[in-house]
Amino acid sequence: KAGVTQTPRYLIKTRGQQVTLSCSPISGHRSVSWYQQTPGQGLQFLFEYFSETQRNKGNFPGRFSGRQFSNSRSEMNVSTLELGDSALYLCASNKEGGRDEQFFGPGTRLTVL
Amino acid sequence: AQSVTQPDIHITVSEGASLELRCNYSYGATPYLFWYVQSPGQGLQLLLKYFSGDTLVQGIKGFEAEFKRSQSSFNLRKPSVHWSDAAEYFCAVGHNFGNEKLTFGTGTRLTIIP
Repeated sequence: KAGVTQTPRYLIKTRGQQVTLSCSPISGHRSVSWYQQTPGQGLQFLFEYFSETQRNKGNFPGRFSGRQFSNSRSEMNVSTLELGDSALYLCASNKEGGRDEQFFGPGTRLTVL
Repeated sequence: AQSVTQPDIHITVSEGASLELRCNYSYGATPYLFWYVQSPGQGLQLLLKYFSGDTLVQGIKGFEAEFKRSQSSFNLRKPSVHWSDAAEYFCAVGHNFGNEKLTFGTGTRLTIIP
């Protein structure tokens, strides 16, 4: 069974640009969560989607947005990039949420210059 | 607000020695608690979780953790570490009775010396 995949694995952008990251969950999983990992702030929850609806949201500005498609694949978008957006972006999936085990992907390393 | 504290930023232990990584949480209700491990360049892997019931939980790779409500702690232990255990370890608390929205601690980096 394939794990959670994230594309691209590495990305370099400049300030002011926008970026889209993709996450393909494990087959059969309907919940996808996104996290930002930085040395300064650690791991922070961005948002969670379930059946194409945002079910949970963290404390990030509106520049961070996401969506989920009918096949459960999810994308997150960051507009007007800032230097502080440089981070490892992790996505995780599980079947329904709740007590189901959550599986993390390897992450997308975003560098903003 | 919910929070997780991992007081040890970096721990060094000898191979074969015992290990205990500390985790304290602040959460208004019964917490759902997790330990994850992250190796360099990798995502997070779940080591073990506590939802309810027996307060001593067993996980993968020989790890265990004990939930102590009176101390608001969920410390991770291993009786004998292996060089392959070198990694970063994160404690987390789940919200909404589940794990789809986790609050993580700042992590503890574990170094193993021969």
